[in-house]
Amino acid sequence: AQSVSQHNHHVILSEAASLELGCNYSYGGTVNLFWYVQYPGQHLQLLLKYFSGDPLVKGIKGFEAEFIKSKFSFNLRKPSVQWSDTAEYFCAVNARGSGNTGKLIFGQGTTLQVKP
Amino acid sequence: DVKVTQSSRYLVKRTGEKVFLECVQDMDHENMFWYRQDPGLGLRLIYFSYDVKMKEKGDIPEGYSVSREKKERFSLILESASTNQTSMYLCASSLLGQGLIYEQYFGPGTRLTVT
Repeated sequence: AQSVSQHNHHVILSEAASLELGCNYSYGGTVNLFWYVQYPGQHLQLLLKYFSGDPLVKGIKGFEAEFIKSKFSFNLRKPSVQWSDTAEYFCAVNARGSGNTGKLIFGQGTTLQVKP
Repeated sequence: DVKVTQSSRYLVKRTGEKVFLECVQDMDHENMFWYRQDPGLGLRLIYFSYDVKMKEKGDIPEGYSVSREKKERFSLILESASTNQTSMYLCASSLLGQGLIYEQYFGPGTRLTVT
């Protein structure tokens, strides 16, 4: 069965520190990849996505992610975090193929706490 | 902007009650999804629907059923609520394209407590 693993469950950083959140998936075929973010008290919203092309994708608020096919990874990065980045982050994978209905498999989530 | 609304933000029900959670989207999306979100477990798919009256089981369908009588509305039903169904329930919708995958848009969630 397909699965998504986020290695860091809870990350605490000071403002201006660099961020990297890990995401690995288990699926041998072609995938679509997503990072979603949930700010305190708000809806889950899309941060960035990868479908094809340049494996380095840029999203909102200065976030980026790199798809490394050989490592089955899609890690999220930000060079300098702000207090407002405090949120829960979810990696999600869609396995392409016949009959693809757009289902996503989500990771367990990583809670990021940024100290001012 | 896509808007996905859910009928209640907070709900408290007793064990054994039948519970209805409703979700409405206003963007004519074909796909609709119900997830539950639990700490440390992320989002887990309960059911989804890709068309009116069509439904498919997700990863954890036991104890739940769904109904989609109209394209914009997708209901989650807990036939007989149990304490282990206490959770945050999220509804989402997306377009369904030929060979294309579109991002899902989420509602605000319903925090259900079963006592």
